[in-house]
Amino acid sequence: DGGITQSPKYLFRKEGQNVTLSCEQNLNHDAMYWYRQDPGQGLRLIYYSQIVNDFQKGDIAEGYSVSREKKESFPLTVTSAQKNPTAFYLCASGQVGYEQYFGPGTRLTVT
Amino acid sequence: GEDVEQSLFLSVREGDSSVINCTYTDSSSTYLYWYKQEPGAGLQLLTYIFSNMDMKQDQRLTVLLNKKDKHLSLRIADTQTGDSAIYFCAENWDAGGYQKVTFGIGTKLQVIP
Repeated sequence: DGGITQSPKYLFRKEGQNVTLSCEQNLNHDAMYWYRQDPGQGLRLIYYSQIVNDFQKGDIAEGYSVSREKKESFPLTVTSAQKNPTAFYLCASGQVGYEQYFGPGTRLTVT
Repeated sequence: GEDVEQSLFLSVREGDSSVINCTYTDSSSTYLYWYKQEPGAGLQLLTYIFSNMDMKQDQRLTVLLNKKDKHLSLRIADTQTGDSAIYFCAENWDAGGYQKVTFGIGTKLQVIP
């Protein structure tokens, strides 16, 4: 089956801890994206990568880091520097210039 | 290409048509998209339209594009309770040599039985 997977679906962390969210795709897409979704605010772009070993900051990159060592994988680390990390995180992939396909999301709660 | 605007909420009766509207700002848009999000889930691509088209129909869905007014709409015929969700409009635009996608804030569609 082709698609985008995100794990885990729910994640709980204590304040001050770094946490890594997984995103994998087997659609052979070049580009991958991370978005954050908060109630009433739509989607905001955190980071994106259009090719392996390269990535760019989005609109709200502070407190986050990513890597793109493999075409299939684009993990997102939420660091302790992110002031308000509790949110729904969505990963997407696509070919550059075309539609994006989304994973099921990870709901992160930091207390 | 920084702004995509949608109304926040729409309520319709089951069986009626729903029309969700969206305005965008960038004239370099190549594709415009409609996504559907059910509670606690990711976004599902519903349909898209290329910027040189005026209309696209796909079963119960009709997309209309007015490029002059930068206005996009999604019409859902014979709306069902399963259509209750948040609908996002998005535009794909040229940000100086690379492509960016900007999403609207989403319109919550409530279908009343």
